[in-house]
Amino acid sequence: SQELEQSPQSLIVQEGKNLTINCTSSKTLYGLYWYKQKYGEGLIFLMMLQKGGEEKSHEKITAKLDEKKQQSSLHITASQPSHAGIYLCGADMDNYGQNFVFGPGTRLSVLP
Amino acid sequence: ETGVTQSPTHLIKTRGQQVTLRCSSQSGHNTVSWYQQALGQGPQFIFQYYREEENGRGNFPPRFSGLQFPNYSSELNVNALELDDSALYLCASSLDLGRPKEAFFGQGTRLTVV
Repeated sequence: SQELEQSPQSLIVQEGKNLTINCTSSKTLYGLYWYKQKYGEGLIFLMMLQKGGEEKSHEKITAKLDEKKQQSSLHITASQPSHAGIYLCGADMDNYGQNFVFGPGTRLSVLP
Repeated sequence: ETGVTQSPTHLIKTRGQQVTLRCSSQSGHNTVSWYQQALGQGPQFIFQYYREEENGRGNFPPRFSGLQFPNYSSELNVNALELDDSALYLCASSLDLGRPKEAFFGQGTRLTVV
């Protein structure tokens, strides 16, 4: 089984709608990262969360880390077609930076 | 544009052949990591190089090998290709080991093994 699970697997929303993507770990998290990937291309780093309760925002994207639940959520407000892509979470699974894993990704489509 | 370039962008090889993928790092970055991303999955860590030395390896067999050169560009070599090696191969460069997860990723090389 995957160490990081993401839900939903895919999402189709109408432009202007809000949406949330979740990333859940089966183990303790030492750092949680969110990336965006356009199909077949490289990853773009969005933000990093390290402390429980931490929340960061970049433009219309907000990410939160719930350390107790070993879970992070990515929230997009007023989605736009430019938000379409694959959102991946990644995490440090130890405190030495030697075990970094990615989730399977959530494919987001935004309909104009 | 991240400043990380990979070549070639696409490649088709036959099972059993060998392949070399190349990565040119962002200027000044001395750390490079390679990932394999199968269709519909997240990237899997292959290995990382720091100042020309391997500095960590994922769960990949020895037929996956790498090199980092003095100018910090890098190669990924895969011998005895198998059908399951078909994937997008990503390299990422970062400044030192401290913040590898905020690395800059290249566009990837899509390898198809037939």
